[in-house]
Amino acid sequence: GENVEQHPSTLSVQEGDSAVIKCTYSDSASNYFPWYKQELGKRPQLIIDIRSNVGEKKDQRIAVTLNKTAKHFSLHITETQPEDSAVYFCAASKGAGSYQLTFGKGTKLSVIP
Amino acid sequence: GAVVSQHPSWVICKSGTSVKIECRSLDFQATTMFWYRQFPKQSLMLMATSNEGSKATYEQGVEKDKFLINHASLTLSTLTVTSAHPEDSSFYICSAREDSEGYTFGSGTRLTVV
Repeated sequence: GENVEQHPSTLSVQEGDSAVIKCTYSDSASNYFPWYKQELGKRPQLIIDIRSNVGEKKDQRIAVTLNKTAKHFSLHITETQPEDSAVYFCAASKGAGSYQLTFGKGTKLSVIP
Repeated sequence: GAVVSQHPSWVICKSGTSVKIECRSLDFQATTMFWYRQFPKQSLMLMATSNEGSKATYEQGVEKDKFLINHASLTLSTLTVTSAHPEDSSFYICSAREDSEGYTFGSGTRLTVV
């Protein structure tokens, strides 16, 4: 089955700096890659996603890049703010059959004011 | 956007009792629902996938007789934790998928078995 590796597990940045979280996946058939933000005790919230026919997608301060050949994708957050502090999960899905998501282990991002 | 309502948000039960968790898709028909379990400071682990009108597909290591999943309609799926024990204490989250859209998560249920 699919295996998603996520790094780093924790990340601390100064407010205003950029944060980058990286994920790799194992199944070349995966074609949908969402990123979720989860605050303590709450549901994961989709912040951005990318499909395999696109190499990069941006939404204001958040961007995701995808390298299909290398099977890795990254989340970039620019001009970080304290409210960006949360746990971020990457995920991958084949978009076929059961369409199930396989999650990375998460990155705890702390933005220091 | 799509909304999934999950209830209860938290529950405390005695060891040996059963607990039912409901997930409803409020404004779309969820052809597939997923049930996840999340331990503190860990990732979401898929427990099972259910499609409306058919039996759920359980992930390896998940006891189907302990975690009963019913997906009787396109808008409702339930997870029943039977004969709960303290080790079943966890955060359970459902997720629904509409055919052409992404995944929408419920708000989660914090289960504590005492």
